[in-house]
Amino acid sequence: AQSVTQLGSHVSVSEGALVLLRCNYSSSVPPYLFWYVQYPNQGLQLLLKYTSAATLVKGINGFEAEFKKSETSFHLTKPSAHMSDAAEYFCAVMANYGGSQGNLIFGKGTKLSVKP
Amino acid sequence: DARVTQTPRHKVTEMGQEVTMRCQPILGHNTVFWYRQTMMQGLELLAYFRNRAPLDDSGMPKDRFSAEMPDATLATLKIQPSEPRDSAVYFCASGQDRGNQPQHFGDGTRLSIL
Repeated sequence: AQSVTQLGSHVSVSEGALVLLRCNYSSSVPPYLFWYVQYPNQGLQLLLKYTSAATLVKGINGFEAEFKKSETSFHLTKPSAHMSDAAEYFCAVMANYGGSQGNLIFGKGTKLSVKP
Repeated sequence: DARVTQTPRHKVTEMGQEVTMRCQPILGHNTVFWYRQTMMQGLELLAYFRNRAPLDDSGMPKDRFSAEMPDATLATLKIQPSEPRDSAVYFCASGQDRGNQPQHFGDGTRLSIL
């Protein structure tokens, strides 16, 4: 069975500091991995996706993530945090349906706070 | 930008009442998902449709929940009778049926059962 673990339910950084949100996955097949962001009272917005092309994936709002098969990790980073980055971030793996689109299996989420 | 539209955005009702949540997927998308978000369980799948056919509803309590797609532009999730433990945010997402394509989420229905 596939699963995702996000380390740290809360992360706090200062404005301008590096953002690092950790995600480890478990999958018996090459995974499709996603990071979504959720702002208060809103739905989930796609930040970036990994689908077996480049291992370093660039997303919106200056975020990027690196797929490391040896570490079964897909950590999300941003070099310099902005106040507007404060939100909850979810890592997800797509359930394997043999090439068709399957449901997403989510981690528990990491709430990012940004201090002035 | 095309969006997934969910109605209502908020619903407060009493235990035992029927609740119907609606979702309009993005035009051209042929997969539709219903997820539920709670503090305790996080985001979990309730039901999944491809080309309007239900593929997986194992996450749904069958005795009280039902999900349908009457046509390609409408998905519904019903709870009858509702219980306080059903209080949650319910999200609809749609996508194109290719494994590497992301799902696009609506803004959710925030449901409170008193």
